[in-house]
Formats: sequence, C-alpha cells, structure tokens
Amino acid sequence: QVQLQESGPGLVKPSQTLSLTCTVSGGSISSGTYYWSWIRQPAGKGLEWIGRIETSGSTNYNPSLKSRVTISVDTSKNQFSLKLSSVTAADTAVYYCARYEWFGEYFDYWGQGTLVTVSS
Amino acid sequence: QSVLTQPPSASGTPGQRATISCSGSSSNIGSNTVNWYQQLPGTAPKLLIYSNNQRPSGVPDRFSGSKSGTSASLAISGLQSEDEADYYCAAWDDSLNGLWVFGGGTKLTVL
Repeated sequence: QVQLQESGPGLVKPSQTLSLTCTVSGGSISSGTYYWSWIRQPAGKGLEWIGRIETSGSTNYNPSLKSRVTISVDTSKNQFSLKLSSVTAADTAVYYCARYEWFGEYFDYWGQGTLVTVSS
Repeated sequence: QSVLTQPPSASGTPGQRATISCSGSSSNIGSNTVNWYQQLPGTAPKLLIYSNNQRPSGVPDRFSGSKSGTSASLAISGLQSEDEADYYCAAWDDSLNGLWVFGGGTKLTVL
C-alpha cells in the first residue's frame, strides 16, 4: 500500500522560504504513470493545487503561485519537495502531498497533511 | 474565490438522498472530467468519484456522479451518519498553462 508523509517546519517567518518534503513508501516514486503533487488548504477553506512534478523533472505550477514555487524530486530517496518563497500569512495552511494517476486523471493517495503557520 | 462553484452546505436525514452541485466553465468541466473527494473532519481528502461517474474500489454504490455541459453533480443515496463530511469537486482547467481547480467545498450534514 502506497503511503505519503509530509515533513518540514511547522512555523515559518514572513518573507522566508517554506520547505516541505514528501516521502513515498510502499512503492517506487519512479514506477508507474504518476505525477507527484502539492495541494494546500487554509483553515476552514477549500483546496488549492500548488503544482506537480514527473520523475523526469518536468513540472507544472499554479499560475497564481508560479513565481514563488519550486517542486523537485529525489528518486534515490523516494521523495519530492516543495519550496515556496517570500511567504506571508496568506500562505498559512495545511499542506498535502498527493499522488496523481495521469491515466485516470485523479489524486488517489494523499499524505495526512502538515500545518504550516507563517508568523513572526 | 474558487474556480468551481459549490453550495456551502447540504443536508438530509438518514436514508434520504442528497445531491451536491458543482458549476464550472468551458475551460474546466466543459472540456475535462470531474472528480469528487470526501474529506472527513481532520483527515486528508479521499477520492470518491473519478471520470465523472466512476467509483474507486471500496466506495459504496450509494455514491454516484454525473456531468452535463459545464456542471456536475454528486448524489448520495441512503444517507448514513458517517457520510457527514466536506465534499469537493475538481477538474483540470485548460486556461493558461493548465492547472487543477477545486470547488469551495460543501459541508454535508446528516440530521
């Protein structure tokens, strides 16, 4: 059974860079027809797609965040990562990593989510 | 402001049928398939319906989806207390370089 687990600081200061890692277990990140995505959810609000990466390194980002986002993958560690620069309080949210099955076009496995608070 | 529009709340009594609508545009629902996710309190979203009306294994057939034009619907028949959750629709949007868009979510209350 595939499992995803987010890790990283729960508190980031304004203007700094948020960095999170998603570790994939129960299967190789390189196998199959999958993209690897980040999605966030502010408290009491809806879901916002941040972006995705293929294991080839090809990426797609949400245009509203593109100038501040970098998603990378480390196949040797079975991990992919998110960096979001110049954060503000508006970036405070639960951040989820998720596996996207491109043939079926859906997010089928999600991490449990990690709360990141932007505050001084 | 979410790209896909859902009612903020819906409700029903046990055994009843509830429906949740999702309205989009030609660049998302109108040209791509719709997925539905169920989010129980304090947990990550779970895939409920994909490709407009397909259920992953393990999802009861009480849950069904449909799509017409630029709108989609999720129906839950035989409501149970454990169905009380937030429900989100999602679709790929072809605008700009493409992105996944979600509805704002509908809180389903089983009275």
